[in-house]
Amino acid sequence: AQRVTQPEKLLSVFKGAPVELKCNYSYSGSPELFWYVQYSRQRLQLLLRHISRESIKGFTADLNKGETSFHLKKPFAQEEDSAMYYCALFTGKNSGGSNYKLTFGKGTLLTVNP
Amino acid sequence: KAGVTQTPRYLIKTRGQQVTLSCSPISGHRSVSWYQQTPGQGLQFLFEYFSETQRNKGNFPGRFSGRQFSNSRSEMNVSTLELGDSALYLCASSFSSFLYGYTFGSGTRLTVV
Repeated sequence: AQRVTQPEKLLSVFKGAPVELKCNYSYSGSPELFWYVQYSRQRLQLLLRHISRESIKGFTADLNKGETSFHLKKPFAQEEDSAMYYCALFTGKNSGGSNYKLTFGKGTLLTVNP
Repeated sequence: KAGVTQTPRYLIKTRGQQVTLSCSPISGHRSVSWYQQTPGQGLQFLFEYFSETQRNKGNFPGRFSGRQFSNSRSEMNVSTLELGDSALYLCASSFSSFLYGYTFGSGTRLTVV
């Protein structure tokens, strides 16, 4: 069965410091990984997708299949980055839809202090 | 374009009652998924619909059911409510799930008393 682990429930950094939110996954198939973010009083929203290799709001994430990790990184944290971050694994890409679902980690609450 | 719309935003029900939650996906999105969010269990997958067919179901009891209409709108029903069903229920829609991910609604906060 698939699983997503975010080992840190809370992470606190100072403005301008680098930040890394850890995510490890367990899945026997080909993983499709995402990071979602939830700012205070806002809905859950997609931050980035591993398939697009994009950088959003200065955040990047690299899929490491050897270490089964998809850590989220930003070189210089900003106060507006304070939010709950969820790593999510999409499964069932080759199932014709019969196993489509997102499995979420428990989330990491990032606080960026001034 | 309009986002994913969930109604109602808040619900208070009594144990034993049933409840129906509604979700209108983004126009053009044919996949609709439902998730339950609680402080203890986090986000858990309930089910996913595509073109009126349930394609996948999570590990929830049969009291949880859903359906999707021809216009892609979806409803979720919970019968014989229990206190443990109190949660935020999130709906998400997608055009192509693994390529673009899901767009989430604001959720329906269900409280069972």
